[in-house]
Amino acid sequence: DAGVIQSPRHEVTEMGQEVTLRCKPISGHDYLFWYRQTMMQGLELLVYFNNKAVMDDSGMPKDRFSAKMPNASFSTLKIQPSEPRDSAVYFCASSSSMAGMNTEAFFGQGTRLTVV
Amino acid sequence: KQEVTQIPAALSVPEGENLVLNCSFTDSAIYNLQWFRQDPGKGLTSLLLIQSSQREQTSGRLNASLDKSSGRSTLYIAASQPGDSATYLCAVVNSGYALNFGKGTSLLVTP
Repeated sequence: DAGVIQSPRHEVTEMGQEVTLRCKPISGHDYLFWYRQTMMQGLELLVYFNNKAVMDDSGMPKDRFSAKMPNASFSTLKIQPSEPRDSAVYFCASSSSMAGMNTEAFFGQGTRLTVV
Repeated sequence: KQEVTQIPAALSVPEGENLVLNCSFTDSAIYNLQWFRQDPGKGLTSLLLIQSSQREQTSGRLNASLDKSSGRSTLYIAASQPGDSATYLCAVVNSGYALNFGKGTSLLVTP
């Protein structure tokens, strides 16, 4: 497996524009996570899915962020409208659950978002 | 709410030294704990996963221990090398399967 794949790797956009980040998890993994990393806050959980259903989105500013997982191999994180404070690296990760225990989480290479 | 703390925030050691990175967490009802490595501008690479029923895990020169009752984990790196220079992150999983991360320890190994 090629691992968790994110696109694009870099995104520069103007304030107010819509941004869509994409993620393909590892095949067979039933958990998918979106994290945001900044120097000040470190890694923060935005939202995560189990079997395509949202389990927890309490970390996501829902007035401008939305996350979807239309099938087991694809997820999007959309920001509309984008603001300069959204500038960060966004990571997608996936893991699986076996016998009631979850396995290692694997991370993508991240999308570096800059909002000017 | 789970709080994960990593000490020290930064560490510089000469090549060849053995070193210990610390991670503490406030809620001991964890499912597992995972150590990651992050190189500048890169993603996170999983190093070791310790399930709540385990005391330690080893991979090459790395050894991670877990003491759930005291809310602590350590990552031991033997015979450090310049290539070990990176940020090391500790993450714990409570119910719900999402990882809670510490802020990391930035390690520099000098030749």
